[in-house]
Amino acid sequence: KAGVTQTPRYLIKTRGQQVTLSCSPISGHRSVSWYQQTPGQGLQFLFEYFSETQRNKGNFPGRFSGRQFSNSRSEMNVSTLELGDSALYLCASSLAGESFNEQFFGPGTRLTVL
Amino acid sequence: AQKVTQAQTEISVVEKEDVTLDCVYETRDTTYYLFWYKQPPSGELVFLIRRNSFDEQNEISGRYSWNFQKSTSSFNFTITASQVVDSAVYFCALSGSGGYQKVTFGIGTKLQVIP
Repeated sequence: KAGVTQTPRYLIKTRGQQVTLSCSPISGHRSVSWYQQTPGQGLQFLFEYFSETQRNKGNFPGRFSGRQFSNSRSEMNVSTLELGDSALYLCASSLAGESFNEQFFGPGTRLTVL
Repeated sequence: AQKVTQAQTEISVVEKEDVTLDCVYETRDTTYYLFWYKQPPSGELVFLIRRNSFDEQNEISGRYSWNFQKSTSSFNFTITASQVVDSAVYFCALSGSGGYQKVTFGIGTKLQVIP
C-alpha cells in the first residue's frame, strides 16, 4: 500500500509570492490534516479536511488555506508569503479523522521563503 | 485548550542505556487519546502507540514501554537497552473528544544514542 505522498518536496519562494502544496493520502483514507513544523514551535496544526469539508482549523492567519478533492487529495495554499512561513509542511492522513485514529505522515514539503 | 509539554528537548545516552522520555498533558476533556510518534532523521513521522483516557494499563512492546498516569497527567515513554537506530525526535501528542481530529503535539524530544 502506497504511503502518503507530498509534492513538491522542496520549494524556494520569495516574500509576497504564493505557493500551493499537494498531498495524496493513503488509499481509502478520507481525512487529511496539515501541520507546520518549525524548530522553535514543533508541529502546529493548520487544518483538517474530511470529505471535501474543512472540519477543524488551527490558529493561523487567513493567508493559509486549503481544500480537499473528491478523491481525498488535498492542497494547501499560502498567499503573500512571509519569511516566517519557512518551515516543513507535513500532511497526515487517517482513515476517518476520528479522535482515536492514528495518523500516517508524508515526508513533508520544505518551504524556504527568501 | 489542550497542551502537551515535553520538557526534555534533547537527550544523549550511550548505547544500551535505558532512557525515559517525559510527556505531560493538559486537557479539559474526559475522553481523550494520547499518542507517541517517532521522527527519524529521514523525516517521516511514524506512529508508535495510542492510549485512550480510560485505559491506564501500561504497555510493553519489545524494548519500548509506556507508562500512563492520569493522576499526574503523564504519558512517559521508556526505551530499554537503547540502540543507535533509536536516534530520532519523539513526539507526544493529544487528541481530544468531539469526534473530529485536532491533534496537539509536544515540541518533541531529540534522542541521540551514542555508540
